[in-house]
Amino acid sequence: AQKVTQAQTEISVVEKEDVTLDCVYETRDTTYYLFWYKQPPSGELVFLIRRNSFDEQNEISGRYSWNFQKSTSSFNFTITASQVVDSAVYFCVTNAGGTSYGKLTFGQGTILTVHP
Amino acid sequence: DSGVTQTPKHLITATGQRVTLRCSPRSGDLSVYWYQQSLDQGLQFLIQYYNGEERAKGNILERFSAQQFPDLHSELNLSSLELGDSALYFCASSFPDWGNEQFFGPGTRLTVL
Repeated sequence: AQKVTQAQTEISVVEKEDVTLDCVYETRDTTYYLFWYKQPPSGELVFLIRRNSFDEQNEISGRYSWNFQKSTSSFNFTITASQVVDSAVYFCVTNAGGTSYGKLTFGQGTILTVHP
Repeated sequence: DSGVTQTPKHLITATGQRVTLRCSPRSGDLSVYWYQQSLDQGLQFLIQYYNGEERAKGNILERFSAQQFPDLHSELNLSSLELGDSALYFCASSFPDWGNEQFFGPGTRLTVL
């Protein structure tokens, strides 16, 4: 069974600080995908990034970057120069292959508060 | 706007009642997923449909059922409601299903009194 653990329950930063959200996952699958979703105060779930298990290349997309290390089963997410609008709950997510098809398994979420 | 629509936005009902939540996927998406978000359980997968057929089941209660219609919209039926069923219910869609990101609707907040 898949499991996702986000070590930080809450993080509080001041605007323009960089912030890294930690995520560790467990799976027996050899092929899988990892995602980060954001849930702002308005409540909707917003897709941010996706990474498959075969690609450990770390990337940057605007102010977002991620560090995927298969050896440690970690998929950390960094926001550079945080802004107040980044305040939200961030979920690290993985999918299950095989018979579970597109089921997503969510971490418990990290509440990020960015103060002006 | 994800392109996934859910109705109603809010639903308040009493214990023992039955409700139906409706979801319309993004244009072209064949898969529909239902998730439940509650304070104690977090976000949990309930069930998935692909082009009208049930594809995967999570920890969905027997009192809950779902279906996907030929026009690909889906309905989640919750019956014999209990206080503990109060939660935010999300629908998501994707095409094709495995590996692609899922796009979530705005959710239906169900309150059982």
